[in-house]
Amino acid sequence: ETGVTQSPTHLIKTRGQQVTLRCSSQSGHNTVSWYQQALGQGPQFIFQYYREEENGRGNFPPRFSGLQFPNYSSELNVNALELDDSALYLCASSSPQRYGYTFGSGTRLTVV
Amino acid sequence: AQKVTQAQTEISVVEKEDVTLDCVYETRDTTYYLFWYKQPPSGELVFLIRRNSFDEQNEISGRYSWNFQKSTSSFNFTITASQVVDSAVYFCALSEARGGSNYKLTFGKGTLLTVNP
Repeated sequence: ETGVTQSPTHLIKTRGQQVTLRCSSQSGHNTVSWYQQALGQGPQFIFQYYREEENGRGNFPPRFSGLQFPNYSSELNVNALELDDSALYLCASSSPQRYGYTFGSGTRLTVV
Repeated sequence: AQKVTQAQTEISVVEKEDVTLDCVYETRDTTYYLFWYKQPPSGELVFLIRRNSFDEQNEISGRYSWNFQKSTSSFNFTITASQVVDSAVYFCALSEARGGSNYKLTFGKGTLLTVNP
């Protein structure tokens, strides 16, 4: 089975710009979650999508938004980038029958 | 609110030593799941185990074993006869249970394990 694929792997943006990160879920997984991992920290939950609807959100401002598509791939959009948004962004997919989440290798975003 | 504490920031051992990674959690939920993930330098989080809050049986998988004690809200992870390939950051995580499925992982800050040859 295919794993979770994220693109791009690395990205450098300027403060104030907008960015879109992409995730292809593992085949058969209809739930996708996004996490932000700052350097030296554990991942922080951003939001989760189930069958194209957001069904949970962490403590992140509205400039963090997402989409899930009918093929269960997903996007994370961040507007008005700030320096503190520099982090590794991880996508994880799951299904109700799945024992745990499958994570991608992440996108490392640097905001300068 | 849920919280996971991994008090050990870094651990360094010599190959073949046994090592235990500690994890203490806080939750008001009666049903929840506990996880351990391994994060090698490549960045991907590798799933190691999920434990249901109602199942306090310890588990062993090869060189890995887990000790879940609900009375002390701890879910510790032991690697027996450590190997250099075990070097990574290890995260303990807690999730709510919604409809029998996982929801929203809360991670600890991780423990960096270095196994020296």
